[in-house]
Amino acid sequence: GAVVSQHPSWVICKSGTSVKIECRSLDFQATTMFWYRQFPKQSLMLMATSNEGSKATYEQGVEKDKFLINHASLTLSTLTVTSAHPEDSSFYICSALISGALDQPQHFGDGTRLSIL
Amino acid sequence: QKEVEQDPGPLSVPEGAIVSLNCTYSNSAFQYFMWYRQYSRKGPELLMYTYSSGNKEDGRFTAQVDKSSKYISLFIRDSQPSDSATYLCAMSLQGAQKLVFGQGTRLTINP
Repeated sequence: GAVVSQHPSWVICKSGTSVKIECRSLDFQATTMFWYRQFPKQSLMLMATSNEGSKATYEQGVEKDKFLINHASLTLSTLTVTSAHPEDSSFYICSALISGALDQPQHFGDGTRLSIL
Repeated sequence: QKEVEQDPGPLSVPEGAIVSLNCTYSNSAFQYFMWYRQYSRKGPELLMYTYSSGNKEDGRFTAQVDKSSKYISLFIRDSQPSDSATYLCAMSLQGAQKLVFGQGTRLTINP
């Protein structure tokens, strides 16, 4: 149980385009989801916390106009990288918390590898 | 000083060896401690999840938390080549779910 699916798993696009990444909880409801970014051989850095039906909370230094997060349902959060540039190339990972289970761990998706040419 | 310190390795051991992975932390308010395993180009997979101090065992894995020393460990017994991955420690405050990760330790088990 507690499966989180991310789509796409890998995307390559031209500089200046916008890219949308989906994060779905497949067998549970998730009021809260998280978006992380990971550079090669580095740890996960939290970008933002996404709560269903409300605005996301961004970590310091993360541009909210650059990384748009929408959490419109209890099973889906999306991250849109707007006007992407090569420096946005990275591994983006989402995680989700089971609704109501505040003391339970986060369940992670398999990540999306974003390459901007 | 980072909030969570973890030796990035790499660590290479022969198959069957006991592996010890460790993290230290500075924030005494952390209450929840986790170990995740991450294979290349995959998301983290939860291995162990503990609350406060103590030991927890699950198969070949044992997690230890020593809050007085601000030190956590993961032991892997009878290590297998399939255990080769990056191991991330993570921790969070009670009642809050924001995770703080260690840098991750790259582990290779040699057949």
